[in-house]
Amino acid sequence: QKEVEQNSGPLSVPEGAIASLNCTYSDRGSQSFFWYRQYSGKSPELIMFIYSNGDKEDGRFTAQLNKASQYVSLLIRDSQPSDSATYLCAVNYGGSQGNLIFGKGTKLSVKP
Amino acid sequence: DTGVSQNPRHKITKRGQNVTFRCDPISEHNRLYWYRQTLGQGPEFLTYFQNEAQLEKSRLLSDRFSAERPKGSFSTLEIQRTEQGDSAMYLCASRQSWDPMNTEAFFGQGTRLTVV
Repeated sequence: QKEVEQNSGPLSVPEGAIASLNCTYSDRGSQSFFWYRQYSGKSPELIMFIYSNGDKEDGRFTAQLNKASQYVSLLIRDSQPSDSATYLCAVNYGGSQGNLIFGKGTKLSVKP
Repeated sequence: DTGVSQNPRHKITKRGQNVTFRCDPISEHNRLYWYRQTLGQGPEFLTYFQNEAQLEKSRLLSDRFSAERPKGSFSTLEIQRTEQGDSAMYLCASRQSWDPMNTEAFFGQGTRLTVV
């Protein structure tokens, strides 16, 4: 069974702080990893993806991947109230077969 | 509108009835995914296609569920003999096939099913 695990939260941080979201996955053969944001009542939208060990930065967002530990995280710097949403971790299983499995998501609340 | 389109947006049906949903992916996307999402949960994988071929179906999926993508373009998801537990948001997503590991899956707005 392919699994993607996330803490459901809610995670509450003050405005301007760093929010740290974590995700673990079960299949050691997984090769690419995605972070989606989902506002209440809306569809998921991609924030960023990562496939190499280490850090990948895009504006206020940094994705971190550690394949040995089967762990991927998302850091949001200078958190804003508009960042309040559910963050979904998705893992591409099966290489070129391209199946995409999601975690249950972590709900983030940024307090003004 | 060149995004992923799903119809209908909302469906209310009586228990025991059959329902069918449609998804029109982004035109150049070969891969199409169906997910189900309930309140407070992430999208649960149901099935996915490359072109018209159904490559994988969730083992947790009841045989009351069936999906097709007959010409490799739009897809339909049918639920037979609906149950109250089928009430959820049904999401469709599509992505490019040339590098599926590193390409974004785009989601439609979903079809919200309520079984009464």
